Amino acid sequence: EVQLVESGGGLVQPGRSLKLSCAASGFTFSTSYMAWVRQAPKKGLEWVATISTSGLTTYYPDSVRGRFTISRDNARSSLYLQMNSLKSEDTATYYCARHGARVDFAYWGQGTLVTVSS
Amino acid sequence: DIQMTQSPASLSASLGETVSIECLASEGISNDLAWYQQKSGKSPQLLIYTTNRLQDGVPSRFSGSGSGTRYSLKISGMQPEDEADYFCQQSYKYPLTFGSGTKLEIK
Repeated sequence: EVQLVESGGGLVQPGRSLKLSCAASGFTFSTSYMAWVRQAPKKGLEWVATISTSGLTTYYPDSVRGRFTISRDNARSSLYLQMNSLKSEDTATYYCARHGARVDFAYWGQGTLVTVSS
Repeated sequence: DIQMTQSPASLSASLGETVSIECLASEGISNDLAWYQQKSGKSPQLLIYTTNRLQDGVPSRFSGSGSGTRYSLKISGMQPEDEADYFCQQSYKYPLTFGSGTKLEIK
């Protein structure tokens, strides 16, 4: 059974940093593209980042490029999201997701809430 | 960026009714379209990928169709457990983008 368990969310002040983690199990992590997707309270879904199997290739939307960094540790079956210069509009539940064959999001974690507020 | 315009924003359906949700892409996406279901307080779940392929375990009353820029999700025979939010997503090119969602309720 595929399991994705996020951690690291919490309350953080604007301008500060936070690092999210995702522990994966139940599939071959090292051969899967992985991603982060977020959802602001009562809002829709927004893709945040994608990383290739090796970690050498990453993709971001303009809204987070230069502030967020996605990374992975295939030996630990773990995915990370380093978030710097956080803004109030980054407040959301952040989901770890495993990409499917067509860059859809085939499996999702339960999410971790990040609140950016002073 | 590819914009995904999803409609309607909300709808209510009676049990057993057939419902449709549509997504219009701002440019052709070559059938690279997925649909997700999100029940209240839960994570989204993939229902359909590549326009019309059912994810494992998804009931056959769910179906997808479309081409070019127009795509739709159909639920043939609304069930109580289908009450949820539904989102489309284009996987044609980066940045990956979602529709704004449809809230489906039981009438």
